Amino acid sequence: GENVEQHPSTLSVQEGDSAVIKCTYSDSASNYFPWYKQELGKGPQLIIDIRSNVGEKKDQRIAVTLNKTAKHFSLHITETQPEDSAVYFCAASRRVTGGGNKLTFGTGTQLKVEL
Amino acid sequence: DTAVSQTPKYLVTQMGNDKSIKCEQNLGHDTMYWYKQDSKKFLKIMFSYNNKELIINETVPNRFSPKSPDKAHLNLHINSLELGDSAVYFCASSPDRGKLFFGSGTQLSVL
Repeated sequence: GENVEQHPSTLSVQEGDSAVIKCTYSDSASNYFPWYKQELGKGPQLIIDIRSNVGEKKDQRIAVTLNKTAKHFSLHITETQPEDSAVYFCAASRRVTGGGNKLTFGTGTQLKVEL
Repeated sequence: DTAVSQTPKYLVTQMGNDKSIKCEQNLGHDTMYWYKQDSKKFLKIMFSYNNKELIINETVPNRFSPKSPDKAHLNLHINSLELGDSAVYFCASSPDRGKLFFGSGTQLSVL
């Protein structure tokens, strides 16, 4: 089955700096790669996603890159703010028989943005 | 107007009891999921239903039984609760391609 590795497990940056979180996946059938942000006491929320036919996508201060050959994808947050502090999860998704998709999550990165 | 709602938010119970968690989505999505998040924050898929049909059943003990009475509801019943079942359980729904919309979670504590 799919295996998604995520690094680092914790990341502390100064406000205004950039943060980078990296993931690798194993299943070449995975074709959709979302990133989720989970704040304390809440469910994960989708912040950005990328499909396998795209190499890079940007949404304001957040960008995601995908290297399909190497099975690597990364999340980049620029100009970090205290409200960016949360746990971030990468995920890899593929279609399953019967409809729907199977999403496998990485192990999470606790991001702390310090003033 | 909550998109994915699950109840209860907190569930404290004794070992050996049976309990249920309910989930409803008003997004019109075809697919619903149950995920378990352990104390290390690891999210693991348990079940997935597509149009009321079970399509994903990961290696979950038989004590866990999902039920989907219609496309908008996916409930989780747990028999003979064990200490190791303590976790946060998340319901989610998806229109396609794995873009999941999560509920706010149910914190289950088994004493």
